[in-house]
Amino acid sequence: EPEVTQTPSHQVTQMGQEVILRCVPISNHLYFYWYRQILGQKVEFLVSFYNNEISEKSEIFDDQFSVERPDGSNFTLKIRSTKLEDSAMYFCASSRGSRGNQPQHFGDGTRLSIL
Amino acid sequence: GDSVTQMEGPVTLSEEAFLTINCTYTATGYPSLFWYVQYPGEGLQLLLKATKADDKGSNKGFEATYRKETTSFHLEKGSVQVSDSAVYFCALGGRDDKIIFGKGTRLHILP
Repeated sequence: EPEVTQTPSHQVTQMGQEVILRCVPISNHLYFYWYRQILGQKVEFLVSFYNNEISEKSEIFDDQFSVERPDGSNFTLKIRSTKLEDSAMYFCASSRGSRGNQPQHFGDGTRLSIL
Repeated sequence: GDSVTQMEGPVTLSEEAFLTINCTYTATGYPSLFWYVQYPGEGLQLLLKATKADDKGSNKGFEATYRKETTSFHLEKGSVQVSDSAVYFCALGGRDDKIIFGKGTRLHILP
């Protein structure tokens, strides 16, 4: 069964540095998402992306964050200047449709640790 | 805004016990409802879903029925196994693109 893949599985970065988290969504999916899960807390929506543009973003997704689909297969999340509170598990997801009635398929996540 | 509330964990049961994890939601319109499971060290996997009232989602012996009158989507399994130990997330998908998750319920099954 096709799956969403994320790299790296664990990223350790110094505060203030830029970090790029990478995702390869399922190939025939059109909608892409990033979520994060701070340790011990709920999974929170960050951003959705469709047709090469952001379709929705949360309050968390401020100017330090950006997303890109640089080619036909990758979907990246960039944090420009990381803060300690950015430490979390970041999940990429993709779906064939939107509006919540199409299940989103999640990757295994990237654990981001900011020192 | 839309939200999901699920029972606090951890829940500890013996193997072959009956499982219920309660979930209620608040949403405008008619959301789709999901249960996701996160096994240790792994990502989120869709366990089951229901897209309209009275639908029953089922998978791997787990079931949940979309109850509009009580705004609930409780997860049940008749006989749990040690391999069911994981964190279970109730979630809803509304009119926009995002999925809203509950806080998760950690389930421990003892042999």
